[in-house]
Amino acid sequence: GPKVLQIPSHQIIDMGQMVTLNCDPVSNHLYFYWYKQILGQQMEFLVNFYNGKVMEKSKLFKDQFSVERPDGSYFTLKIQPTALEDSAVYFCASSPGTGNTGQLYFGEGSKLTVL
Amino acid sequence: LAKTTQPPSMEAYEGQEVNVSCSHTNIATSEYIYWYRQVPHQGPQFIIQGYKDYVVNEVASLFISADRKLSTLSLPWVSLRDAAVYYCIVTGPGTGSNRLTFGKGTKFSLIP
Repeated sequence: GPKVLQIPSHQIIDMGQMVTLNCDPVSNHLYFYWYKQILGQQMEFLVNFYNGKVMEKSKLFKDQFSVERPDGSYFTLKIQPTALEDSAVYFCASSPGTGNTGQLYFGEGSKLTVL
Repeated sequence: LAKTTQPPSMEAYEGQEVNVSCSHTNIATSEYIYWYRQVPHQGPQFIIQGYKDYVVNEVASLFISADRKLSTLSLPWVSLRDAAVYYCIVTGPGTGSNRLTFGKGTKFSLIP
């Protein structure tokens, strides 16, 4: 089936550094999402993105977070600067955006470890 | 967005049929019911969706009560690959939101 690819699968960085998580969404999908999951806890919505703009964001989407998708390239989540509490697995998802609004395709996650 | 309630965990033997229930008493007429599952170290995977009555696909079947306040995901002949956390999510157009809100889900395990 359709696949969402995430790069890197795991990244370890020092607190205060910048990190960019990359997502290659399903071709022709229009909506893009980032979710955060701390080990053993619920998936938490961060942000969704459509037509070059942030549509919704949660309280977890701090000022240090930003998203973008330059034309035809990866959908990225940037954290600058990182904090210890940013350690988690970040999941990217995409959806066609029309009709079936609840069917999202998720990647396998990017595990971020902030030391 | 309608809130959902699921049992925290379930167990079964390999080969059994498993039914996971989900209560959504405040479901709106515009909302659909979606089921996802997440195996360790992977992202959630869509299983099935429905609005009313009964839906079936190659993975599972979904029964929705007449008043739409309860749905039951049925997994036939469970095996090790079905061990996962199952999420019931209610959402739809007109809710003003395009996000999916995940709860704690139902953790399904096989009995050794």
